[in-house]
Amino acid sequence: AQSVAQPEDQVNVAEGNPLTVKCTYSVSGNPYLFWYVQYPNRGLQFLLKYITGDNLVKGSYGFEAEFNKSQTSFHLKKPSALVSDSALYFCAVKRGNTGKLIFGQGTTLQVKP
Amino acid sequence: EPEVTQTPSHQVTQMGQEVILRCVPISNHLYFYWYRQILGQKVEFLVSFYNNEISEKSEIFDDQFSVERPDGSNFTLKIRSTKLEDSAMYFCASSEGPDYGYTFGSGTRLTVV
Repeated sequence: AQSVAQPEDQVNVAEGNPLTVKCTYSVSGNPYLFWYVQYPNRGLQFLLKYITGDNLVKGSYGFEAEFNKSQTSFHLKKPSALVSDSALYFCAVKRGNTGKLIFGQGTTLQVKP
Repeated sequence: EPEVTQTPSHQVTQMGQEVILRCVPISNHLYFYWYRQILGQKVEFLVSFYNNEISEKSEIFDDQFSVERPDGSNFTLKIRSTKLEDSAMYFCASSEGPDYGYTFGSGTRLTVV
């Protein structure tokens, strides 16, 4: 069965510092991996995805994520955090080109000035 | 940037009543989805829809639920007889295809009283 784990409920960083939001997954076959961000009272905004190719993928708002097959991880990173990055972040996976996205429980990112 | 539009943003209904949640996917997208997020919990897959039929559904999507694409632009989720536990944020999403990211709407918050 597919599953996604985000081990941290909350991540706190100071503005200007690098941030990492962790995600590990379990899926049979080739994983399609996604990161979404949710601001209060808003929908889920797509940040980036990994399907194939370079393990380091770059996405919106300066975010990037690294696919690590041996560790089954897809951590979200940003070199320099902004206060406006404060939001709820979801990692998601699906098996190959099937339609069903499985979401992690979400990690709240708090960036303090 | 193209958006997925959901209406209404908030709906309150009495237990046992029927509700229809409406979505307008992005016009050139072919795949459509409904997800839901019970307060404080994960985003859960409900159903995927392609070529005018359901392609996959979860165990949550029982006989009380149905989806329809009544015309070329709308995609609806009907809950026939709402229960208290149906209270959640319901997200519609669409994509160009299985290898693409999903675009989510802002959601409809359904409150069953």
